Amino acid sequence: NAGVTQTPKFQVLKTGQSMTLQCAQDMNHEYMSWYRQDPGMGLRLIHYSVGAGITDQGEVPNGYNVSRSTTEDFPLRLLSAAPSQTSVYFCASTPLWSAGGYTFGSGTRLTVV
Amino acid sequence: GQQLNQSPQSMFIQEGEDVSMNCTSSSIFNTWLWYKQDPGEGPVLLIALYKAGELTSNGRLTAQFGITRKDSFLNISASIPSDVGIYFCAGPSYAGGTSYGKLTFGQGTILTVHP
Repeated sequence: NAGVTQTPKFQVLKTGQSMTLQCAQDMNHEYMSWYRQDPGMGLRLIHYSVGAGITDQGEVPNGYNVSRSTTEDFPLRLLSAAPSQTSVYFCASTPLWSAGGYTFGSGTRLTVV
Repeated sequence: GQQLNQSPQSMFIQEGEDVSMNCTSSSIFNTWLWYKQDPGEGPVLLIALYKAGELTSNGRLTAQFGITRKDSFLNISASIPSDVGIYFCAGPSYAGGTSYGKLTFGQGTILTVHP
């Protein structure tokens, strides 16, 4: 099993550009989520999904959109990139019964100039 | 919202020394999780605690769930160079129809081990 796969690993965007961060998992996990990691702030939840067709906002959702058309995929869209969105983004998944045992991807490092 | 305060923010130790770090919350958690993040990678779950007062070990790691349910501690004994990384505490809370839908993370403890 590949686990949670994120692409790309690195990305540089200009202010105002849009892009999609890809996330795929092959473990048939119902629950998927996106976090951003900034120095000294831990990881903060952006959006999450409990299954195909169901998404909801986390702690810092502004400027990001998500959709969940399949169990496996959970892409994160930046609509109009801003320097404040420079961060490392992590996708994570877990079965609903796992009591917090998330599997994280290896991250996407995004720089907005 | 819920916040987790983790300390210390960073530690510089010699190989072989023991390490202690802790996490406190302004609200109660029913589960405490400890993750480790290696450079360039995502966090990996080390230990999960489900009951107040619980003491759980995983090799050289020992974690405790505080009896007030507002704090947790992680100890690493006889540190080795591969212990280097960022250690996070996390508490899951209700979201999306499950009690574990949302993880709140502490700020992290950066551990450096000198050979």
